[in-house]
Amino acid sequence: DTGVSQNPRHKITKRGQNVTFRCDPISEHNRLYWYRQTLGQGPEFLTYFQNEAQLEKSRLLSDRFSAERPKGSFSTLEIQRTEQGDSAMYLCASSLALGQVNIQYFGAGTRLSVL
Amino acid sequence: ELKVEQNPLFLSMQEGKNYTIYCNYSTTSDRLYWYRQDPGKSLESLFVLLSNGAVKQEGRLMASLDTKARLSTLHITAAVHDLSATYFCAVGSNFGNEKLTFGTGTRLTIIP
Repeated sequence: DTGVSQNPRHKITKRGQNVTFRCDPISEHNRLYWYRQTLGQGPEFLTYFQNEAQLEKSRLLSDRFSAERPKGSFSTLEIQRTEQGDSAMYLCASSLALGQVNIQYFGAGTRLSVL
Repeated sequence: ELKVEQNPLFLSMQEGKNYTIYCNYSTTSDRLYWYRQDPGKSLESLFVLLSNGAVKQEGRLMASLDTKARLSTLHITAAVHDLSATYFCAVGSNFGNEKLTFGTGTRLTIIP
């Protein structure tokens, strides 16, 4: 097991284009999270899956953003009609909740630059 | 809305010195996490604190939790250069989804 994997690591796009990121969680983990991190800030929650069900979405997740987790394995995050304000690091995390303990393991992130 | 504040935001300290990073949060939670992030790297879990008075130690780092004061501390003892990183505290949601609300981070630089 190599941990949480995210692809691509870097994405440069022009404003108005669509982009899609992929996250492969740790294999036995049933929970998957997406966060966004801007420079000098802590990560901000975007959305959460338990298995294939998307159970919560932050108000930060506008209707241009969509996330899926088909079959409860990998997840994709798509941003349509990108804007310069979407430039950030997008982090994926996965966890296997055991009682009170729910340590989230993070991937290295996808850095998005919108020109 | 849950708010998590860390201070200081930046900390420059000499090797061998001790210091404490503070994490205050605004609503009740009994799950507090500390993470470390190196430049360009992912977040690495350091500690999970689950109850009032919990104390965890790993090497030169020790974390504690006071749920009544809504305060967690990360204490660094006899700092060494490889502890230079950004440290985040994060508070777990009470509503089952366990989404994390992060502080803004403390960028720690250890000077030889």
